Amino acid sequence: GESVGLHLPTLSVQEGDNSIINCAYSNSASDYFIWYKQESGKGPQFIIDIRSNMDKRQGQRVTVLLNKTVKHLSLQIAATQPGDSAVYFCAEISTGANSKLTFGKGITLSVRP
Amino acid sequence: EPEVTQTPSHQVTQMGQEVILRCVPISNHLYFYWYRQILGQKVEFLVSFYNNEISEKSEIFDDQFSVERPDGSNFTLKIRSTKLEDSAMYFCASSPNSGGYEQFFGPGTRLTVL
Repeated sequence: GESVGLHLPTLSVQEGDNSIINCAYSNSASDYFIWYKQESGKGPQFIIDIRSNMDKRQGQRVTVLLNKTVKHLSLQIAATQPGDSAVYFCAEISTGANSKLTFGKGITLSVRP
Repeated sequence: EPEVTQTPSHQVTQMGQEVILRCVPISNHLYFYWYRQILGQKVEFLVSFYNNEISEKSEIFDDQFSVERPDGSNFTLKIRSTKLEDSAMYFCASSPNSGGYEQFFGPGTRLTVL
């Protein structure tokens, strides 16, 4: 079946360093790829998305890269802060009638002071 | 900033009992969703809802589940006869667009079935 998955379950980074979280997907028909952040006891919070016809998109301190050749998605967080500590999920969606989000397994980002 | 709200935050019930989880989506959104997350696992799609009917449902969403928009603001998920394996966080989400890529999630209801 089609799936979205993450390579690593945990990532520990030093405060101030850059973080890179990777994700592999298998549904080449997806229109959008989205990164969500989930803090303890809260629902997923939208971080950034990217359309399938783009390679890169930048937000505030975050950058998402899409490599359709190898079906790979990454989230880069610049100058990681303690508040970035959370579980991060990649998700994909094929827009239109079938507009459900398919989430990958989460990866925990832990920021060391 | 408008947000999706859910009540209760935690629901404890006995196996076989009915539960209703409530959500108030963002007011100008038209597309609604329920997802669940078993502890430590990924978020899973349950059902999408638009124009007072189900758009799509997953295989998890069997006959024990139902959704309703009883009025102009609430969106509910009912589990008719809860099972132990229904224990999970249940998230409601809403979206302003049919593409569904801008889904805003509520804080979730933790359902514990004993």
